[in-house]
Amino acid sequence: DIQMTQSPSSLSASVGDRVTITCQASQDISNYLNWYQQKPGKAPKLLIYDASNLETGVPSRFSGSGSGTDFTFTISSLQPEDIATYYCQQYDNLPLFGGGTKVEIK
Amino acid sequence: QVQLVQSGAEVKKPGASVKVSCKASGYTFTSYDINWVRQATGQGLEWMGWMNPNSGNTGYAQKFQGRVTMTRNTSISTAYMELSSLRSEDTAVYYCARGDEYSRLDVWGQGTTVTVSS
Repeated sequence: DIQMTQSPSSLSASVGDRVTITCQASQDISNYLNWYQQKPGKAPKLLIYDASNLETGVPSRFSGSGSGTDFTFTISSLQPEDIATYYCQQYDNLPLFGGGTKVEIK
Repeated sequence: QVQLVQSGAEVKKPGASVKVSCKASGYTFTSYDINWVRQATGQGLEWMGWMNPNSGNTGYAQKFQGRVTMTRNTSISTAYMELSSLRSEDTAVYYCARGDEYSRLDVWGQGTTVTVSS
């Protein structure tokens, strides 16, 4: 079974900072990776699909990259409304989520 | 607008079953899969399975095999997830989500809280 390792599990950054989250798959999953944002008490929201494609309506400060086993999610300039937990999700076989990264404001 | 509306909160005793509904609107129900994802309090997202509303085909995470059943009623554009032999560890918020062939989960229901307690 494919395992997804997401890091860090939490981070604290200042408004305007560049924030980077990584997700590593235990085997090659091509570009079959999505990224979601979940705010407290809310359902997750799709931000990035196929590793690097921005979902319609999502601000351009969010981006994704990578293929194979190593993937990166970036917020280019952290905003107060970006406080949330972010999850990667692979779909090479059956879907599987990473453990999540909680992003807080310093 | 495209939306998924789930049934209300449930409280069940250990050993019982729960059936959660997910009503789709604003799109052709049979054109997208319905996935089910759960989240225990303070924990991460856990994918449970998917169903193709057109064919009725399903795929379940190994953890839930034998205990989960996903069905649909296409006449009312509604998907169902039934989980049996409930235990306290099944206490969670259960979400349905629309997915395409690449499991891009682009529309989510509001979540249904299931509490398992004696």
